[in-house]
Amino acid sequence: AQSVTQLDSQVPVFEEAPVELRCNYSSSVSVYLFWYVQYPNQGLQLLLKYLSGSTLVKGINGFEAEFNKSQTSFHLRKPSVHISDTAEYFCAVSDSDDYKLSFGAGTTVTVRA
Amino acid sequence: DADVTQTPRNRITKTGKRIMLECSQTKGHDRMYWYRQDPGLGLRLIYYSFDVKDINKGEISDGYSVSRQAQAKFSLSLESAIPNQTALYFCATSDLRAGAYNEQFFGPGTRLTVL
Repeated sequence: AQSVTQLDSQVPVFEEAPVELRCNYSSSVSVYLFWYVQYPNQGLQLLLKYLSGSTLVKGINGFEAEFNKSQTSFHLRKPSVHISDTAEYFCAVSDSDDYKLSFGAGTTVTVRA
Repeated sequence: DADVTQTPRNRITKTGKRIMLECSQTKGHDRMYWYRQDPGLGLRLIYYSFDVKDINKGEISDGYSVSRQAQAKFSLSLESAIPNQTALYFCATSDLRAGAYNEQFFGPGTRLTVL
């Protein structure tokens, strides 16, 4: 099973500033990568996913992530955050031959005016 | 209507009580999962089921049991609840068909407090 590390547990950021959330996973030949968001008092919603092809993946709400195979990373970025982006963000990884998801510990993003 | 529903949404119970959390889905997916979420630990897999006759333990199954009553229903039971089972519990589903890449769809969660 994969091991997933989210390098920052808390990220405070001012409104309209950029944000980057870092995610690294243990090495594997072929993986599928996901970012989920959990807004306060809600379930998890898929932000974006990398399955194959272009290493830059665009998701909902202006988020994007870049898959870097050599660095085994899948960092999430947004160029300009809004107050409504305040949430917890989870990176998740699945091996292509193992249909379970391994989750990181989560990164809490707090956007301040 | 939500595709994955969980009942109850909130539950407070006492140590030693038996409790069941229920999950239903209308997505037609074969695979269903139960996770618990604890602060700073992310989501950890309790049990998963790939079809009605296939039940598998996850990484933290001790103290829990499950029942897959139908393709659309997957219940999680705590036979004798203890305080360290206080957590947020999520049900999820995914599609068995090729090309689904194990994208999982989550219910809204059940917040369980064991006193």
